[in-house]
Amino acid sequence: TQLLEQSPQFLSIQEGENLTVYCNSSSVFSSLQWYRQEPGEGPVLLVTVVTGGEVKKLKRLTFQFGDARKDSSLHITAAQPGDTGLYLCAGEPGGTSYGKLTFGQGTILTVHP
Amino acid sequence: GAVVSQHPSWVICKSGTSVKIECRSLDFQATTMFWYRQFPKQSLMLMATSNEGSKATYEQGVEKDKFLINHASLTLSTLTVTSAHPEDSSFYICSAPVVRELFFGEGSRLTVL
Repeated sequence: TQLLEQSPQFLSIQEGENLTVYCNSSSVFSSLQWYRQEPGEGPVLLVTVVTGGEVKKLKRLTFQFGDARKDSSLHITAAQPGDTGLYLCAGEPGGTSYGKLTFGQGTILTVHP
Repeated sequence: GAVVSQHPSWVICKSGTSVKIECRSLDFQATTMFWYRQFPKQSLMLMATSNEGSKATYEQGVEKDKFLINHASLTLSTLTVTSAHPEDSSFYICSAPVVRELFFGEGSRLTVL
């Protein structure tokens, strides 16, 4: 079973601060996805990274996939209260596990005004 | 993006009754759907993989007789919690893969009294 260790589990910061969330594994993933979930709703896909070393930017969010495709990070610049939510990384093992993602434990981000 | 819809959004039932949750792909066909359970402030726990036209594949530790899954068509999967007990109270979410992305339903909050 492939595991994804996500850290930190909780993050409470002030508006305007920067933050980074990490997902690490000893296993290789064919792709890795980041989701954001608000209370009482389903997760919403933010980005998918596929290539080792890939960097994707989504406004103030920067996503990176490790060279060996075993780890990923999400960096948020100048966080805003609207960024508050549960962030989940999820890795696709590849092979025949189509769509069967391995989820990290999640990071609950709270951005205070 | 693809749309996955769940119904009901929330349900309250008495202990011992059965509850059915529906997951529909609205604008695409899904031969596979996934069912998750999520506890407050925690990540998603995969319960089972729903396969259209065949039996669902359950994850280790998930009781198949308690959580009945039926994938009768290419756009509908159902999860029935049988003889529900208070410990079954949780947030249940479904998802369907499209290429390399997962699209999630809105989730269903089950409260068993």
